[in-house]
Amino acid sequence: GAVVSQHPSRVICKSGTSVKIECRSLDFQATTMFWYRQFPKQSLMLMATSNEGSKATYEQGVEKDKFLINHASLTLSTLTVTSAHPEDSSFYICSARTDDYGYTFGSGTRLTVV
Amino acid sequence: KQEVTQIPAALSVPEGENLVLNCSFTDSAIYNLQWFRQDPGKGLTSLLLIQSSQREQTSGRLNASLDKSSGRSTLYIAASQPGDSATYLCAVTRGNEKLTFGTGTRLTIIP
Repeated sequence: GAVVSQHPSRVICKSGTSVKIECRSLDFQATTMFWYRQFPKQSLMLMATSNEGSKATYEQGVEKDKFLINHASLTLSTLTVTSAHPEDSSFYICSARTDDYGYTFGSGTRLTVV
Repeated sequence: KQEVTQIPAALSVPEGENLVLNCSFTDSAIYNLQWFRQDPGKGLTSLLLIQSSQREQTSGRLNASLDKSSGRSTLYIAASQPGDSATYLCAVTRGNEKLTFGTGTRLTIIP
């Protein structure tokens, strides 16, 4: 139980374009989802907390206009990287929490901006 | 501010050995502690979840213990296999709040 599906697993985009990453809870409803970014050989850095039906809460230093988060349903949260630049290239991971299973993570998305 | 430390940072052991990974946290007021593994280029896989009222959890060859009063948790892996090679992360939370991750232990099992 508590499976989180994340797509795409890899994406390459041109500088200046936007990329959308989807995170779905498959067998449970997630009122809250979390978005992380991970640099090579470093731990996960929380970017924002996504709340169903309301605005996301961003961590300090994260540009909310660059990283748009939408949580329109209880099973889907999306992260859109707008006007992507090479420095946005990274590994992005989503997560959701349940009482029974704790935190469950998606498989991650490797974004490369060229 | 909660700080979570994992020792050792890296560990290499021959296949078949039993091993222990350590996790310590500075604030004992936690809701639960969770152990994860991460393979290179992949997301996190949950291994064991220990609620604050529990002292240990077991799954297969894995056993995790929790001592809230001393701010420590250990992950015991029995009869290690090459497939156990990964980075292991512990993380704590105070209820429905964000996770605080440990610094991680990179484990290599030598065939």
